[in-house]
Amino acid sequence: KAGVTQTPRYLIKTRGQQVTLSCSPISGHRSVSWYQQTPGQGLQFLFEYFSETQRNKGNFPGRFSGRQFSNSRSEMNVSTLELGDSALYLCASSLALRTDTQYFGPGTRLTVL
Amino acid sequence: GQQVMQIPQYQHVQEGEDFTTYCNSSTTLSNIQWYKQRPGGHPVFLIQLVKSGEVKKQKRLTFQFGEAKKNSSLHITATQTTDVGTYFCAGHNFNKFYFGSGTKLNVKP
Repeated sequence: KAGVTQTPRYLIKTRGQQVTLSCSPISGHRSVSWYQQTPGQGLQFLFEYFSETQRNKGNFPGRFSGRQFSNSRSEMNVSTLELGDSALYLCASSLALRTDTQYFGPGTRLTVL
Repeated sequence: GQQVMQIPQYQHVQEGEDFTTYCNSSTTLSNIQWYKQRPGGHPVFLIQLVKSGEVKKQKRLTFQFGEAKKNSSLHITATQTTDVGTYFCAGHNFNKFYFGSGTKLNVKP
């Protein structure tokens, strides 16, 4: 079975721009979660989607949004980028709930200049 | 609010020494998971503990879940350079999932 894939792997943007990241979960997995990882803050939960519905949301501003499609693929969008948004964005898929074993993708490294 | 604290933040050991990381929750957890992230990699699931007082072993790794289901530990016996990475615990409670801040392990050969 193919693992979780994320595109793009690397991205460089400037302040004020917006960005869309994509995540394709493992086939058959219906839950997709997104995390932001920075050296100083560790793994911070962004949101979780299940069957195209957002089930849980972390403490991030409204500039961070996401969605899930009927094939379970998910996208997250960050608008009006700030320097502090530079991070590794990880997507994780699980069979049903985020509380199941999570399988992480390789991440998208976002750099905001 | 709910928090999962993990200590220590960093640990440097000589190859062959033991290593332990601890995870503590302010409230009772339904289960706890452990992940390992190699440098430059992504978190990889190691194990899940569900029962009070549960102990599980994977070769040189021993995982424990406290009796009160509020704390957990990961112990590595006789570390090897391949153990280098960051170890995260993740506690589950009421459909929410809380990652610890991770313990970064460095093993000197």
